Amino acid sequence: AQKITQTQPGMFVQEKEAVTLDCTYDTSDPSYGLFWYKQPSSGEMIFLIYQGSYDQQNATEGRYSLNFQKARKSANLVISASQLGDSAMYFCAMRELKAAGNKLTFGGGTRVLVKP
Amino acid sequence: EPEVTQTPSHQVTQMGQEVILRCVPISNHLYFYWYRQILGQKVEFLVSFYNNEISEKSEIFDDQFSVERPDGSNFTLKIRSTKLEDSAMYFCASSELAGSVDTQYFGPGTRLTVL
Repeated sequence: AQKITQTQPGMFVQEKEAVTLDCTYDTSDPSYGLFWYKQPSSGEMIFLIYQGSYDQQNATEGRYSLNFQKARKSANLVISASQLGDSAMYFCAMRELKAAGNKLTFGGGTRVLVKP
Repeated sequence: EPEVTQTPSHQVTQMGQEVILRCVPISNHLYFYWYRQILGQKVEFLVSFYNNEISEKSEIFDDQFSVERPDGSNFTLKIRSTKLEDSAMYFCASSELAGSVDTQYFGPGTRLTVL
């Protein structure tokens, strides 16, 4: 079974509008962290936001917020007021505390294209 | 702001040749990682390294792969005899701590092309 699932391979969003990127995860570990990374066309992986499994509040970081629904095992990324520079691939990732070596497990990614 | 650096940015090699990919992690970080991303696919974990030894490796990380921290700053990935299917983007990452709350910061990647 996939540990991280991103069901949207690609999305268009109008500049200045908000967009929600879906991420669902599967784990039996009660302690885990969820991460979102941005990969622009240049290829680097840029850390955006983190949510811990025990965090009571949804994480926010500037225009990025994470809609964490623990019972549904979802951690959707919301980008508000989209900008042209937000066009990129977005990856959701998880690290389970019990996982040896602290490895991150990534989803397949969602490509976002912001239209002017 | 401190960042992870990687060299070279692009490496082209012939099948069967050895390649060494180099990384300089963030200076106060203690945990180091290599990941790879085959074109158009998801990012995959290869290996993690702490206290001068491998903490965990994936099934991809076979005997052809090795990692080393030759000095206090560099972290290298060696592929002994490259295969066509090793063509991918290779990312180095580092983190300060371990545990689910720690963030891994990635370098810009090395694009390896095996001909």
